[in-house]
Amino acid sequence: QQPVQSPQAVILREGEDAVINCSSSKALYSVHWYRQKHGEAPIFLMILLKGGEQKGHDKISASFNEKKQQSSLYLTASQLSYSGTYFCGTGYSYSGGGADGLTFGKGTHLIIQP
Amino acid sequence: DAEITQSPRHKITETGRQVTLACHQTWNHNNMFWYRQDLGHGLRLIHYSYGVQDTNKGEVSDGYSVSRSNTEDLPLTLESAASSQTSVYFCASSEAGAGETQYFGPGTRLLVL
Repeated sequence: QQPVQSPQAVILREGEDAVINCSSSKALYSVHWYRQKHGEAPIFLMILLKGGEQKGHDKISASFNEKKQQSSLYLTASQLSYSGTYFCGTGYSYSGGGADGLTFGKGTHLIIQP
Repeated sequence: DAEITQSPRHKITETGRQVTLACHQTWNHNNMFWYRQDLGHGLRLIHYSYGVQDTNKGEVSDGYSVSRSNTEDLPLTLESAASSQTSVYFCASSEAGAGETQYFGPGTRLLVL
């Protein structure tokens, strides 16, 4: 089951804040956030594991609500470099020493204008 | 520096031909993954491997195969290329264990005519 991301797209002015949500209908073990610019590979932002933790670095942070099976990515005081498509990838199981591949949402397109 | 590479970066082929996309990582990661990315679908898992001689099917594995003969490489083979397999293919790798970061290669753009 593919996680649902919202919004699908958002346009901001430089300096404004944004929140991107990722919801799953299935119990999550992990949520991985990536940013992808056109024609490039997805770049890892952060990972959150089951336990409801919150993480952040610089002006990008994320939370994981285990009860709601939902994660949110927070971008504060957005910069032009934040433009791109943001994907959440969800992990549903822990298989001994391995890791099942991620199931990705369809992405949220973020455009930052000067 | 450790890295993950893919080759070729661009490929044009004809329907019915066999095509192999290469993925090579120098991190010594146990886990390797293949995804395809299409407009409107995001990234979808094709196959993955936990280690040498281990392979597993993902969400969209029909028409694809992989083999893992060493830690560094996970080639993806399209047995008989179809136009529906025109896509951008990404390889990724991670340390063993769930919840580990997956690092993506630069991608291969495949066009099947």
